[in-house]
Amino acid sequence: DVKVTQSSRYLVKRTGEKVFLECVQDMDHENMFWYRQDPGLGLRLIYFSYDVKMKEKGDIPEGYSVSREKKERFSLILESASTNQTSMYLCASSSLRGPSGNTIYFGEGSWLTVV
Amino acid sequence: AQSVAQPEDQVNVAEGNPLTVKCTYSVSGNPYLFWYVQYPNRGLQFLLKYITGDNLVKGSYGFEAEFNKSQTSFHLKKPSALVSDSALYFCAVRGGTGGFKTIFGAGTRLFVKA
Repeated sequence: DVKVTQSSRYLVKRTGEKVFLECVQDMDHENMFWYRQDPGLGLRLIYFSYDVKMKEKGDIPEGYSVSREKKERFSLILESASTNQTSMYLCASSSLRGPSGNTIYFGEGSWLTVV
Repeated sequence: AQSVAQPEDQVNVAEGNPLTVKCTYSVSGNPYLFWYVQYPNRGLQFLLKYITGDNLVKGSYGFEAEFNKSQTSFHLKKPSALVSDSALYFCAVRGGTGGFKTIFGAGTRLFVKA
């Protein structure tokens, strides 16, 4: 089974702090994603990466950055956390190859509260 | 531009009755369509997908979905609902000029009453 692991399930951070959300996948997927989920808004794409050291902005990249130094790891960075970034963050991965191609696999989510 | 709509915020059904969760989409070219389920405080779990071929797709936990190109719909169905099916369901679409981008609907909450 595909496993996408998000290192922190629940975090509480202060306004202005720098926040790192880490994600690791074990299926050699070339694509990785960060989404945020808010009630009534569904999932919104923040950033994605289709290869090591490559990144593309999604729909709501403002206030976020990402890092992909290794194929299995994709980090989301909140440079200066703000209260409007309180949300559930979901990491995901996918591949174009094989029978599971095009299917996005999600981690368990990281609940971030900014106070 | 790609879009996906789940017209119902909530669907209520009695245990043992059939259930339908609706999804319509808009995409240029041939769509890839997906259904995911989310249980409380968990990530999204893949249920099924349509890429090509038979319009009726069968997935996990007895769920199925029918691709209808003329109505641009991909409704999720199950012949007999279980209380344990109560969860949040997301429809998603990728395709056409969207590239890697997969767009998710806002979600439909399913309540199955015993």
